Amino acid sequence: GAGVSQTPSNKVTEKGKYVELRCDPISGHTALYWYRQSLGQGPEFLIYFQGTGAADDSGLPNDRFFAVRPEGSVSTLKIQRTERGDSAVYLCASSSGLAGGLEQFFGPGTRLTVL
Amino acid sequence: DAKTTQPPSMDCAEGRAANLPCNHSTISGNEYVYWYRQIHSQGPQYIIHGLKNNETNEMASLIITEDRKSSTLILPHATLRDTAVYYCIETLGGFKTIFGAGTRLFVKA
Repeated sequence: GAGVSQTPSNKVTEKGKYVELRCDPISGHTALYWYRQSLGQGPEFLIYFQGTGAADDSGLPNDRFFAVRPEGSVSTLKIQRTERGDSAVYLCASSSGLAGGLEQFFGPGTRLTVL
Repeated sequence: DAKTTQPPSMDCAEGRAANLPCNHSTISGNEYVYWYRQIHSQGPQYIIHGLKNNETNEMASLIITEDRKSSTLILPHATLRDTAVYYCIETLGGFKTIFGAGTRLFVKA
């Protein structure tokens, strides 16, 4: 079956611009996660959705970052006034959210470069 | 910060077992231990998880000490394709997940 997909695969933008990154989770998965990963480091948790609601957004670095999941499926990570330090690979993952099925399935990531 | 500690890198000969250790001395009674790996330029891939008992699946075995303060991931017959960064994670119910730097495993021919 189809896995987690993310678009675009690469995004180059200029400092100060607004970007949106999209995640399509595995069909039926109620839990969705966003991470970002810098070179040589492990993924850094940003936010986790259970259904349409953000159950834990404690990893969002500041108010320039926002994520939505209006229908409980596709999610969009939005970054306002991008800074060079936002350059990273942004990873999305989904899981069934059910007991015993909590392993996360990751997408290939979106590589964001802020010039 | 990650609550687990792992060696930064390990080598393993192709065809031999790779044993990757992880310390999770602050793990609480209802926290699971999860293992993921990340092959270069790909998203992390789930390997296995456990709570108290040892676990085995088609990819690996997970040995958890009786006091649950450490665990070992075993790849029984490592191949070159197993070269990756391996992450050991404590997670309550699998939700908020904190990755550390992981162990970079090099499988050599």
